[in-house]
Amino acid sequence: QKEVEQNSGPLSVPEGAIASLNCTYSDRGSQSFFWYRQYSGKSPELIMSIYSNGDKEDGRFTAQLNKASQYVSLLIRDSQPSDSATYLCAVDILTGGGNKLTFGTGTQLKVEL
Amino acid sequence: ETGVTQTPRHLVMGMTNKKSLKCEQHLGHNAMYWYKQSAKKPLELMFVYSLEERVENNSVPSRFSPECPNSSHLFLHLHTLQPEDSALYLCASSQHTGTSYEQYFGPGTRLTVT
Repeated sequence: QKEVEQNSGPLSVPEGAIASLNCTYSDRGSQSFFWYRQYSGKSPELIMSIYSNGDKEDGRFTAQLNKASQYVSLLIRDSQPSDSATYLCAVDILTGGGNKLTFGTGTQLKVEL
Repeated sequence: ETGVTQTPRHLVMGMTNKKSLKCEQHLGHNAMYWYKQSAKKPLELMFVYSLEERVENNSVPSRFSPECPNSSHLFLHLHTLQPEDSALYLCASSQHTGTSYEQYFGPGTRLTVT
């Protein structure tokens, strides 16, 4: 089992719709969870962090965490073409060398006009 | 300058060359990281420095050699690279506080080994 799993997509949504991006992780003891946005040819940009079960909202973005199910998601409301990017889920995973931020392969989101 | 900067942004080198990548963070953080990003693969952590001490070396080949002279600067020295080392090399920094690992990335160096 991969440590952090994401559907690679592409996930296509129409402009104005809600985009839902999902991520599962293997370490039940993980405490820190992050979503990064990466435009093609650019570096990852931190957009959300979440540490407690439940929802965390920031503008059009909502992160949802369910530690019992080892599941974290990102909702993007009123999706815009400028949201088209790859979204990386990152989770604090305990490894042999200590805690390490581990990234998924990312989900490509396409917002269509 | 703000955030995390990296130079050069693009680098083409032959397999016998020696070059260095530079990273500088202006965020007052105490940890810095090197990552490799190849197509269709997740970000691969290469090295971690915390308070200028290397705390992680993820079985990276010796042709990659990191250096952290102070908490704001990080280098990656490259020599006798292979074509499969062509990738985007990303530097990041964070402030270690408990379990928080909010890492902020620089723009990356696109490396091509010919």
